[in-house]
Amino acid sequence: GQQVMQIPQYQHVQEGEDFTTYCNSSTTLSNIQWYKQRPGGHPVFLIQLVKSGEVKKQKRLTFQFGEAKKNSSLHITATQTTDVGTYFCAGPGGSQGNLIFGKGTKLSVKP
Amino acid sequence: DAGVTQSPTHLIKTRGQQVTLRCSPKSGHDTVSWYQQALGQGPQFIFQYYEEEERQRGNFPDRFSGHQFPNYSSELNVNALLLGDSALYLCASSRRWGPQFFGPGTRLTVL
Repeated sequence: GQQVMQIPQYQHVQEGEDFTTYCNSSTTLSNIQWYKQRPGGHPVFLIQLVKSGEVKKQKRLTFQFGEAKKNSSLHITATQTTDVGTYFCAGPGGSQGNLIFGKGTKLSVKP
Repeated sequence: DAGVTQSPTHLIKTRGQQVTLRCSPKSGHDTVSWYQQALGQGPQFIFQYYEEEERQRGNFPDRFSGHQFPNYSSELNVNALLLGDSALYLCASSRRWGPQFFGPGTRLTVL
């Protein structure tokens, strides 16, 4: 079945360093969504990318959707302790009604 | 504008019991999806409701059932609880094909 894979599983950075997480789908996606889940919290929607090669920025966060619409990345510039959490990518299932989530990348930031 | 709400926050049950979890979607949303999130994993899709009907179902047994009411709120029922059903149960609401917004979740512990 359709799979969404994320790497790395864990990332430990010093505050101020950059961070990138990568997402790959086994199938072409109509769109990809990114979520952030703080420890003990629930996934919070960050962004949806739809177009091939699309790049979107939210302050220090840069999201990219691959040309083939099978991969995506999230890059955080100059991490802060408030960036701590698990970042998930998710793509629509067969009929777009459901989301297939990756296992997430857990980011820890050392002050 | 209230976001997605879920009740209860926490629940402890014993094996074999039945449980009902509740969800109220974000204002303006008509679609409710339910996910199960085990510790350290991404959310796994259970099913989705739209216009009071189950529209799509993930790989979960018939012990998991649901309902959507005319006001778009929804319930998730789990019968004959197993230890492995212990997890965070997340409700997400959306407009029909839009991004999904998650509630805070119900933490279910089965003893």
